[in-house]
Amino acid sequence: EAQVTQNPRYLITVTGKKLTVTCSQNMNHEYMSWYRQDPGLGLRQIYYSMNVEVTDKGDVPEGYKVSRKEKRNFPLILESPSPNQTSLYFCASSLRAQDTQYFGPGTRLTVL
Amino acid sequence: AQSVTQLGSHVSVSEGALVLLRCNYSSSVPPYLFWYVQYPNQGLQLLLKYTSAATLVKGINGFEAEFKKSETSFHLTKPSAHMSDAAEYFCALSSGGYNKLIFGAGTRLAVHP
Repeated sequence: EAQVTQNPRYLITVTGKKLTVTCSQNMNHEYMSWYRQDPGLGLRQIYYSMNVEVTDKGDVPEGYKVSRKEKRNFPLILESPSPNQTSLYFCASSLRAQDTQYFGPGTRLTVL
Repeated sequence: AQSVTQLGSHVSVSEGALVLLRCNYSSSVPPYLFWYVQYPNQGLQLLLKYTSAATLVKGINGFEAEFKKSETSFHLTKPSAHMSDAAEYFCALSSGGYNKLIFGAGTRLAVHP
């Protein structure tokens, strides 16, 4: 089954404790993105990747890092999480730049 | 700058009534436009998309949307609401060849008996 998977689905952590949210897709897509969803703001792009080893900032990249060492994986790294990063995070992938993006199930992160 | 505005953060309709969710966009280049639906505790699922072909786009679950360039709108409609349509709906724009969707704030649709 074609899908985007994320882990963990739920995470509660404390300020400053490094964490990684994994994202994997099995559709051989070139493009992958991370978004955060906050009430009243919709989804905003954090980072995106056009291919292996090629990444670029989205609209809200501060406090986040990404890497794309393999085509299927695109982890999101929070080196020193803060409470304002409490949010619902989605990973998405698409075959080409403006194609339909396929979303993962989301990761709900709470930073205390 | 590109933007998407969804008019009405909450819309409530009766089962069997017309559903109309409004979306206006701003883009300096021809956009691709999308409607996504999010059911509780789930990810986003594509309802339909406009990619400069037909201006009336039909999607899944009986939804459709009409692209009106003169009004910079892409409103989502469904003739008869069903209880299972209760969800949050997002309008999104993609343009300029970048892998970025610009989302509206979302509209939560409630369907009551």
